[in-house]
Formats: sequence, structure tokens, C-alpha cells
Amino acid sequence: EPEVTQTPSHQVTQMGQEVILRCVPISNHLYFYWYRQILGQKVEFLVSFYNNEISEKSEIFDDQFSVERPDGSNFTLKIRSTKLEDSAMYFCASLRGVGVYEQYFGPGTRLTVT
Amino acid sequence: DQQVKQNSPSLSVQEGRISILNCDYTNSMFDYFLWYKKYPAEGPTFLISISSIKDKNEDGRFTVFLNKSAKHLSLHIVPSQPGDSAVYFCAACGNEKLTFGTGTRLTIIP
Repeated sequence: EPEVTQTPSHQVTQMGQEVILRCVPISNHLYFYWYRQILGQKVEFLVSFYNNEISEKSEIFDDQFSVERPDGSNFTLKIRSTKLEDSAMYFCASLRGVGVYEQYFGPGTRLTVT
Repeated sequence: DQQVKQNSPSLSVQEGRISILNCDYTNSMFDYFLWYKKYPAEGPTFLISISSIKDKNEDGRFTVFLNKSAKHLSLHIVPSQPGDSAVYFCAACGNEKLTFGTGTRLTIIP
């Protein structure tokens, strides 16, 4: 069964450093998402991406964040200058297309900023 | 901004009995609702969903009920099995993004 994959599973970085989190969505899906979950809190929407551009973003997704689909398979989330409060689980999700709503999630990347 | 709420952080149910997880929402623009199951160190796994035009959807042991007038949905699992022990998230879809509740940790007691 096709699944969303994410790398790395755990990333430790120092405050102020740039990180890139990688995702490979399900191959025939058209919509891509990043969510995050700070420890003990709920899963929060960050950004949605369709047709090679951002379709929606939350207030969390400020200028420090960017997303890219550099080739036909990868979908990346970049944080330019990490802050302590960026420590969280980051989940990538993908959606097949219009008229369906079931987003499929990857296993997540645990980002620890020290 | 708690548009989707799960007021019970935890629930314990005897194996074989019915588990009922509840979720309330405030935004009437949500048009689709989903339940996800999550194990530690894994991503949310899609379980079952329901459109806002329906009031019930059933898939095996899982049934989701939607009461639009009360802005309330529930997930019924019957019979409950030990493998059902996990955190369950209710999510509401609007503008293609999901808004999640805070989750309910379900523990099935053998």
C-alpha cells in the first residue's frame, strides 16, 4: 500500500541554523501539506501546496518557513533560522485530489532545537 | 481558537465493550469530518470520515455519527479490541486544510 515517507526521523539542530525536512508524498496525489505537533498539544496546520504553489498557510508559517517541490517526488519544508519554539513533530500529508478529503500522513520528523 | 474540541483527554473501556469518542466543533463552514488514530512516534492514520450532508457512516467496527444542529460528532468502536488503544483525533475539513482536536487517549482494558 502506498504511503507517505519522511526523512529524517529525528533532526537535532542549534538555534539559528537552517533545517530542511523532506517528504515523499503518495505518487498520484496532487495536494501536499505540512502540519506540526508541539509536545502535548494538538496537530496544527502549517501550509498547503498545490500545482507548485502555496494554496494556503497559517499564521505560524511566517517568513522563516518555505516549501518546495524540487522534483516530481520530493516535498520539502525549510526553516531558515530555527528557534527553540520550533521544536515539534512535523508531519507531511498528501491528498489525492479534488472531491476527496482523506489526507494521508507520514510518520513525522521530530525536530529538536537546542 | 478552539474550533474543534475533544473534551475527554482520556477514556478507558473494557475489551469487547463499546468505545464512544466525542468531538464538538464551532465552525459551521466545515464540510467534512475525519477521525484519525495515532500511535506514539507515528503519524496520524486515517480511520473513517463523514460528509456534512450525512449523519452516519459505518466501516466495520467503526461508526461515525454527525449531529449538525448540535455541531457534534462521535466515533463508536464496537467491539473494542486491545489494538484499538491509541490517541484518537477528530479533524474537520474546511478550505482543504484539516483542523484537529486535541485528541482522546483510548485505553482498552483486557
